[in-house]
Amino acid sequence: GAGVSQSPSNKVTEKGKDVELRCDPISGHTALYWYRQRLGQGLEFLIYFQGNSAPDKSGLPSDRFSAERTGESVSTLTIQRTQQEDSAVYLCASNRGASYNEQFFGPGTRLTVL
Amino acid sequence: DAKTTQPPSMDCAEGRAANLPCNHSTISGNEYVYWYRQIHSQGPQYIIHGLKNNETNEMASLIITEDRKSSTLILPHATLRDTAVYYCIVNPWGETSGSRLTFGEGTQLTVNP
Repeated sequence: GAGVSQSPSNKVTEKGKDVELRCDPISGHTALYWYRQRLGQGLEFLIYFQGNSAPDKSGLPSDRFSAERTGESVSTLTIQRTQQEDSAVYLCASNRGASYNEQFFGPGTRLTVL
Repeated sequence: DAKTTQPPSMDCAEGRAANLPCNHSTISGNEYVYWYRQIHSQGPQYIIHGLKNNETNEMASLIITEDRKSSTLILPHATLRDTAVYYCIVNPWGETSGSRLTFGEGTQLTVNP
């Protein structure tokens, strides 16, 4: 079956612009996660959605970052007024919920802020 | 969450076993050990997890010491396609926070022909 997909695969933007990154999880997966990975570093947790529960936003680095999820489907990560330090690969993952160990990752969106 | 320590890099000859160590000396009783790997320019891929017993699946084996303070991931017959960064993660089971994963910098395994 189809895996987690993300779009765009690459995004180049100018400092100060807003960007939207999209994630399509695996069908039937109730949990969705966003992570950020800076060059040469490990993943940083950003936000977690589980069904209709309030999202866990504790990893968002600033109020310029926000995310939404429609039901148990598509999620959008929005970064407002982008800064050069936002340049990174943004990874989305999904699974069937907190009781499941394996997270399935998408290929990521590489964001470059000039 | 418990912190893990891994060597930054390792080399292995193709066809030989790759043994990747991980220290997690502050692991709590309810925390599992997970291993993921990330091939260049791809998203991370789950490999295996365990609590205290040794585990084996089609990809790898996980050996956890009796005191649970360290573990070793074993790839029995490494191939060139196993070249990747390997992450050792400890995480509580079924937390309401949703099992969010805290990745360190991992071990860059290079399999040489």
